[in-house]
Amino acid sequence: DQQVKQNSPSLSVQEGRISILNCDYTNSMFDYFLWYKKYPAEGPTFLISISSIKDKNEDGRFTVFLNKSAKHLSLHIVPSQPGDSAVYFCAASDNYSGAGSYQLTFGKGTKLSVIP
Amino acid sequence: NAGVTQTPKFQVLKTGQSMTLQCAQDMNHEYMSWYRQDPGMGLRLIHYSVGAGITDQGEVPNGYNVSRSTTEDFPLRLLSAAPSQTSVYFCASSYSGQAGGRQFFGPGTRLTVL
Repeated sequence: DQQVKQNSPSLSVQEGRISILNCDYTNSMFDYFLWYKKYPAEGPTFLISISSIKDKNEDGRFTVFLNKSAKHLSLHIVPSQPGDSAVYFCAASDNYSGAGSYQLTFGKGTKLSVIP
Repeated sequence: NAGVTQTPKFQVLKTGQSMTLQCAQDMNHEYMSWYRQDPGMGLRLIHYSVGAGITDQGEVPNGYNVSRSTTEDFPLRLLSAAPSQTSVYFCASSYSGQAGGRQFFGPGTRLTVL
């Protein structure tokens, strides 16, 4: 059973416009949500995160919104740039062992293509 | 800081062969983990470790062994490779107790089992 779902395998956006990537989760015990960006032949790199006690976190062109009641989060990229073309993974974490060792559960990813 | 390093970058094995994927980090992170990435499947946790001498299974541990004798190194062993283990493998590390579990990933090892 998939606990973190990214239902759109791909997304194409015109340069300069907004990109919106969506993610849904089922486990109400998740307390942090993260977005990772992955270029081909590289490892994922951390992009932005949000605690479950917040509903918005902003970092430059990137904003993550969290709707806990709907168990839904989204990543907004404004304005989108060609260099943003990558696979974006949504991930969720909880204090699995109770000892501060947070495991991550990943979605399947969304491939974003920003067209010049 | 080199961050998280993985060797080799590419490997081709025959069914039944064994090998070890190496992972090292120089950030003094307590938590290390191994993931595999398959097309359309995202990243799935294989094994993880919360410190030297402590390891545990993740979502897909079958066919893999790990050990953690030092803080820096976390090798992943394939005892008898199978075609189903063809995948890209990522090692990651983070501070234990870091809120949000932000992990730093290595560049990956692309493994093909024939």
